Amino acid sequence: DTEVTQTPKHLVMGMTNKKSLKCEQHMGHRAMYWYKQKAKKPPELMFVYSYEKLSINESVPSRFSPECPNSSLLNLHLHALQPEDSALYLCASSQDTVDDTQYFGPGTRLTVL
Amino acid sequence: AQKVTQAQTEISVVEKEDVTLDCVYETRDTTYYLFWYKQPPSGELVFLIRRNSFDEQNEISGRYSWNFQKSTSSFNFTITASQVVDSAVYFCALSEAETDSWGKFQFGAGTQVVVTP
Repeated sequence: DTEVTQTPKHLVMGMTNKKSLKCEQHMGHRAMYWYKQKAKKPPELMFVYSYEKLSINESVPSRFSPECPNSSLLNLHLHALQPEDSALYLCASSQDTVDDTQYFGPGTRLTVL
Repeated sequence: AQKVTQAQTEISVVEKEDVTLDCVYETRDTTYYLFWYKQPPSGELVFLIRRNSFDEQNEISGRYSWNFQKSTSSFNFTITASQVVDSAVYFCALSEAETDSWGKFQFGAGTQVVVTP
C-alpha cells in the first residue's frame, strides 16, 4: 500500500472550472513534488516543495498553482485549464532533496473538456 | 541534454522468458544515485531500487536483478522468468548529488515491457 495518497483518482473539468488536486504523505518526508505525465512519456517535474519552500519549473503555466499547507499536504489548484493539460498528475515525496528517493502516489487522471 | 538513455522503447516476451532492460547514464558528478521505477497500467510509479555511485555491487531481489557498471555508465535491469504481472513501463532515473539545480533528478524515456502468456 502506498503511503502517498492522492485525491481524486479521476477528474473531468471544463475549461472555465476551478478544481484542486490533493496529495498527502505519511512518511515524515520534507520534500514533495508534482509531476505531469502525458501518455507514453516520462513524468515531467512541475513543482518541488522542500521544507515548505517552493521551486517552480518555469515552463509551467500560471493556471497551475501549488500550495503546501504543511509538510504532509500538497495541493495543486487548477484554473482555466486547456485540453492539452489533460494528463496523469503524480505526487511524490522524498526524505528531502538530498536523499531524494521519491515515492509516488497513485495519480489523478485529469481530463479537460 | 538527455542524461538517462533507455534505448529500448518496447520489449515483448513470452512468459517465463528473461528480459533485460538497458539504462545508460551521463554525469560529471562523482556522487550520484540511480533508480528503477515500475509503472503498471494503473499509473502509479513504484520504486524498485536505488544504487549510489560508490556501490557497484550487483543486486538480486527475487526475480529482479540489477547490474551496475561505472566503466560503461550502465545500470541494467533483468527480470528472470517473466510473468504477465511484469507488464509495465520501466523507468530508469538519475539523481546527481552535486548538482544544485532544477534538473538534478531525471527520468529516462521508459521501456514498455509486454509479457504474453
